[in-house]
Amino acid sequence: GEDVEQSLFLSVREGDSSVINCTYTDSSSTYLYWYKQEPGAGLQLLTYIFSNMDMKQDQRLTVLLNKKDKHLSLRIADTQTGDSAIYFCAEKTGRRALTFGSGTRLQVQP
Amino acid sequence: SAVISQKPSRDICQRGTSLTIQCQVDSQVTMMFWYRQQPGQSLTLIATANQGSEATYESGFVIDKFPISRPNLTFSTLTVSNMSPEDSSIYLCSVEVARHQETQYFGPGTRLLVL
Repeated sequence: GEDVEQSLFLSVREGDSSVINCTYTDSSSTYLYWYKQEPGAGLQLLTYIFSNMDMKQDQRLTVLLNKKDKHLSLRIADTQTGDSAIYFCAEKTGRRALTFGSGTRLQVQP
Repeated sequence: SAVISQKPSRDICQRGTSLTIQCQVDSQVTMMFWYRQQPGQSLTLIATANQGSEATYESGFVIDKFPISRPNLTFSTLTVSNMSPEDSSIYLCSVEVARHQETQYFGPGTRLLVL
């Protein structure tokens, strides 16, 4: 079955790098996503990676995918206070809807 | 990308009543989905809205409780029927955009509180 897991909480200092981790179980996943949700707001698509890639970089964001271990990570370089939010990883499988992880709350200390 | 609007943005409803949420997209989409986010929780798929036919519901969600319509490619409604306080959640519409089917965008959500 499908199951996506994330750690619940991460605290970093402003300027440091943040790494948010995610594991998934469905080997048929086609795409994997990272979404950001700020308090009281909807979901913002940050980035995504195709399952046959192992890395994608987009400005301060780096996504690493280890398909063998079914492990996905999001690295945010030079983390800012505006990065404080909940980050959800999600996988897309054959039915094309998304299965979400529980979300990681990132707290950035000034 | 796609611009997705939802109405209403929030509502407070009485137990036993029903609320219909609208989702409108500004571009052609291939797939439309409805998700629920209960307080402090992650997102759970309710159903896939199919154009011109009955929606496809996930386990634990039924048509009598969450009737869905999708009369055309860019519009869908979700009704939350006979509401109880347990239905208090954020309801989000999501779309897969034609020609960019690798991406999936979300509407701003409808925040529902049932008293």
